[in-house]
Amino acid sequence: NAGVTQTPKFRILKIGQSMTLQCTQDMNHNYMYWYRQDPGMGLKLIYYSVGAGITDKGEVPNGYNVSRSTTEDFPLRLELAAPSQTSVYFCASRNRPSSGAPSYEQYFGPGTRLTVT
Amino acid sequence: DAKTTQPNSMESNEEEPVHLPCNHSTISGTDYIHWYRQLPSQGPEYVIHGLTSNVNNRMASLAIAEDRKSSTLILHRATLRDAAVYYCILRDVSNTGKLIFGQGTTLQVKP
Repeated sequence: NAGVTQTPKFRILKIGQSMTLQCTQDMNHNYMYWYRQDPGMGLKLIYYSVGAGITDKGEVPNGYNVSRSTTEDFPLRLELAAPSQTSVYFCASRNRPSSGAPSYEQYFGPGTRLTVT
Repeated sequence: DAKTTQPNSMESNEEEPVHLPCNHSTISGTDYIHWYRQLPSQGPEYVIHGLTSNVNNRMASLAIAEDRKSSTLILHRATLRDAAVYYCILRDVSNTGKLIFGQGTTLQVKP
């Protein structure tokens, strides 16, 4: 299993441009999450999804959109990039908890480093 | 969401035990205590979690106070590869499993 993969690894955007950060997981996990991490800070939740077709806002959703048409993919869309969106973006996934499940462990991707200038 | 308090940084010598403290005085009865760590330039990775009893796994041990208002992550023999930011997180009680990250403790391991 590749786990959680993210593309691209790095990207530089000009103010006002748009882009989509891709996230794919091959573990058949129901739950997926997008976080952002500013320098020296902990991660903040942007959006999450509990299954295909279901998404909800996290702590910092403004300026972003998501969709979940398949179990595997959870893309994050930036419509009008702003310098405040310069950050490292992490995607994560976890399985649906069930009795006997060992943990609610989230698996994180390697991140996308985005700079908006 | 209940919050956690951790020291900003700690130092340890290689091959010595490390005790990373976490205070969570407003924890509710159904909050699980999770620990994640983030190695430099990587995404976070799960370390351990617990509810009331102390827990051990291949990576670490988790000691939970009897009143559950604090916990301690124990690395039994620190290695240079353990240098990371360690996050103590109280897992969202809803089934969505959202993680609310604080700033964590930066652990430096000296050879």
